[in-house]
Amino acid sequence: AQSVTQLDSHVSVSEGTPVLLRCNYSSSYSPSLFWYVQHPNKGLQLLLKYTSAATLVKGINGFEAEFKKSETSFHLTKPSAHMSDAAEYFCVVSEGGGSYIPTFGRGTSLIVHP
Amino acid sequence: EAGVAQSPRYKIIEKRQSVAFWCNPISGHATLYWYQQILGQGPKLLIQFQNNGVVDDSQLPKDRFSAERLKGVDSTLKIQPAKLEDSAVYLCASSLGAGVNSDTQYFGPGTRLTVL
Repeated sequence: AQSVTQLDSHVSVSEGTPVLLRCNYSSSYSPSLFWYVQHPNKGLQLLLKYTSAATLVKGINGFEAEFKKSETSFHLTKPSAHMSDAAEYFCVVSEGGGSYIPTFGRGTSLIVHP
Repeated sequence: EAGVAQSPRYKIIEKRQSVAFWCNPISGHATLYWYQQILGQGPKLLIQFQNNGVVDDSQLPKDRFSAERLKGVDSTLKIQPAKLEDSAVYLCASSLGAGVNSDTQYFGPGTRLTVL
């Protein structure tokens, strides 16, 4: 069975400082992992995904994530936060091994202070 | 290319009434998903269709919720009768492939349901 845990419900940073949103997963197979972003009053949008190719994945708007199998983690980072990054971020796992049902984490709210 | 369309965008009903939501996925997308997102939580998958067959509906409260995807294109989700705890945003998403766990999901704007 698969599961995903977002370790922080809220992360608060100052504009221009680094962002780290943490995600741990559990899977019996080789999973695909995703980060989606949800801006206020807007639909969910894909930031990036890992699908068993390169372990360091680059996404839109300067975000990247590293798949670490030994740590069962897929943390999202950005070197310098921008005010427009303030949103809700969701980590998603889809297990593979014949299963392709996605499971969302509870979400992390990113707050960016000027 | 047109995105995922959902209607209505907002709905307010009394408890015990019925309600239906409609979703039109991106043209050519084989897989369609319905999620329930309660305020402050992540989306919970209610049902997943591959073409017009059901892949998973293990979290769909089948005593009150039903969904169909006729002809493998658009889909409707119905609640009858509604309860207060059904107040949520109902999201529809679609993805291109069938049976592919690495596919990107494309989401509609959602329907915000309030049950009074």
